[in-house]
Amino acid sequence: EIVLTQSPGSLSLSPGERVTLSCKASQTVGRNFLAWYQQKLGQPPRLLIYGVSNRATGIPDRFSGSASGTDFTLTIARLEPDDFAVYYCQHYDDLTPPLTFGGGTKVQMK
Amino acid sequence: EVHLLQSGGGLVQPGGSLRLSCTASGFIFTDYAMTWVRQAPGKRLEWVSAISPFSDFVYYRDSVQGRFTFSRDNSRNIVYLQMHSLRVEDTAVYFCAKNFGPGLAFYDSWGQGTPVTVSA
Repeated sequence: EIVLTQSPGSLSLSPGERVTLSCKASQTVGRNFLAWYQQKLGQPPRLLIYGVSNRATGIPDRFSGSASGTDFTLTIARLEPDDFAVYYCQHYDDLTPPLTFGGGTKVQMK
Repeated sequence: EVHLLQSGGGLVQPGGSLRLSCTASGFIFTDYAMTWVRQAPGKRLEWVSAISPFSDFVYYRDSVQGRFTFSRDNSRNIVYLQMHSLRVEDTAVYFCAKNFGPGLAFYDSWGQGTPVTVSA
């Protein structure tokens, strides 16, 4: 089972800042099958990125994803007030388990 | 517009049963696998179970295997999660989610979530 470790656990930032969130996989993620979600308090997750770097429908281009080996990064170019939330990475494949999520990074307002 | 409307859930004693439902609209239901994901209070998201478009394949996480049953009614665009022998550690908000396609396990639409509390 691939273990995903996200860092940092939380960040305190101001609107307009650039944000870089890390997700490190314990082994190679096949076919670049990694997704990112945003979750606000009391809401379901929202798909942001799939296939490492593909933005989901309706996601603004200030969100981008990248990878280097087993290290994955979600970047928010310029933080907006609506972006304060928890961000999760997820390894996926076909339907068969195990399917794992990272522990999340909370982006909060400074 | 895709919409997933969940119902069911609530408070149940350990060993009890509950059934969750999720009614889908806004997409061709039989083109997509569906999934349940849960989130215990303050914890990470946890995949629970997935079902293929025509129920050929159903998968469960180890901790719910044999206790939970995931089914779908394609004539009514509904999925169900029947939960038996519930444990305190099953306490979580349960989300139904639409898979991106028939066979890829990431999720582009989610239900609103329904809380399940297992407590004496």
